[in-house]
Amino acid sequence: EPEVTQTPSHQVTQMGQEVILRCVPISNHLYFYWYRQILGQKVEFLVSFYNNEISEKSEIFDDQFSVERPDGSNFTLKIRSTKLEDSAMYFCASRGNIQYFGAGTRLSVL
Amino acid sequence: AQSVAQPEDQVNVAEGNPLTVKCTYSVSGNPYLFWYVQYPNRGLQFLLKYITGDNLVKGSYGFEAEFNKSQTSFHLKKPSALVSDSALYFCAVSNFGNEKLTFGTGTRLTIIP
Repeated sequence: EPEVTQTPSHQVTQMGQEVILRCVPISNHLYFYWYRQILGQKVEFLVSFYNNEISEKSEIFDDQFSVERPDGSNFTLKIRSTKLEDSAMYFCASRGNIQYFGAGTRLSVL
Repeated sequence: AQSVAQPEDQVNVAEGNPLTVKCTYSVSGNPYLFWYVQYPNRGLQFLLKYITGDNLVKGSYGFEAEFNKSQTSFHLKKPSALVSDSALYFCAVSNFGNEKLTFGTGTRLTIIP
């Protein structure tokens, strides 16, 4: 079965640093998403991306966040000037007939 | 705005017994409803979806869900639980033209041998 791949599985960073979370979506999918799950809370939508532009974003997705598809395979989430409250599990998804999710990147901001 | 409620944080079921994990939703327009399962250190895995048609939807691993429009519910069911069904289950909703998924808070299902 095709998979969405996310790297790294765990990222530790200091407050104020920039991080880039990487995702390789399923190869023939055209729609891409980022979600996050703060420990003990529900999975929350961050952003959707289609045709090399953002199609929808949540109120969480402010100027601190950006997404990019730098080549034909990768889809990245950049978080600038990380804060303690950015600590969460971040999930990438890509959509064919349904959304397929990666295993997630656990971001720990110290 | 769309929302999902999973009223039970934890459900315990004896192996071999039927199980139900509850979900209610709120969305404008026709709902697209999903169940995903999360095993430890794994991503969200798709179980089943309701878009239109028959109210009883069959999915992976013997699970099924019943769409009830009047009660705005989409409960997950399985006739005979297995220990390997123990996991965290998420209900989610989206609507046509708005593809983002809105998730519930999740229900931890524990099957007792």
